[in-house]
Amino acid sequence: NAGVTQTPKFQVLKTGQSMTLQCAQDMNHNSMYWYRQDPGMGLRLIYYSASEGTTDKGEVPNGYNVSRLNKREFSLRLESAAPSQTSVYFCASSKTGSGEEQYFGPGTRLTVT
Amino acid sequence: AQRVTQPEKLLSVFKGAPVELKCNYSYSGSPELFWYVQYSRQRLQLLLRHISRESIKGFTADLNKGETSFHLKKPFAQEEDSAMYYCALRTIQGAQKLVFGQGTRLTINP
Repeated sequence: NAGVTQTPKFQVLKTGQSMTLQCAQDMNHNSMYWYRQDPGMGLRLIYYSASEGTTDKGEVPNGYNVSRLNKREFSLRLESAAPSQTSVYFCASSKTGSGEEQYFGPGTRLTVT
Repeated sequence: AQRVTQPEKLLSVFKGAPVELKCNYSYSGSPELFWYVQYSRQRLQLLLRHISRESIKGFTADLNKGETSFHLKKPFAQEEDSAMYYCALRTIQGAQKLVFGQGTRLTINP
């Protein structure tokens, strides 16, 4: 099992460009999450999906949209990238949302110039 | 609002010495606390959770509701313990959400 996979690993965007970060899990988990990691700020939740067909905002949703394409896949879209969105993005999944372990992907390092 | 504070960004100790990574939280209800760890070139992974009350890789953490703390301890540090450690809080209201602290980078010197 690959666990949680993310593409791409690295990306450089110019201000105003758009892109979609892809995430997939093969563990048959119901819940999926997108976090961003910034120095000195830890991980902050952007959006999450408790189950297929549902999505909800986390702590820092502005400037992002998500799609839970099916049970396996949860994508994060930046419609108009800004330098403040330069960060490392992590996708995670868990069996349910009820305090169980979250399994993380390897991360995507995004730079917006 | 729920918050997790890890006061030390960096912590350096010698091999064989005791290590304690501090975590304090703010939440008025009954929290669930976790420690996650990220070793170099590896993914973030769960180290332990307070409800399990278990020791993983020699680490333990006790939830102190009076002091609202969940410090991570190990009596004898090993070089392979060098990593980034995150304390995280799950609240009943935010059942789907974890609130992470800022993280502590632990370095074990030989």
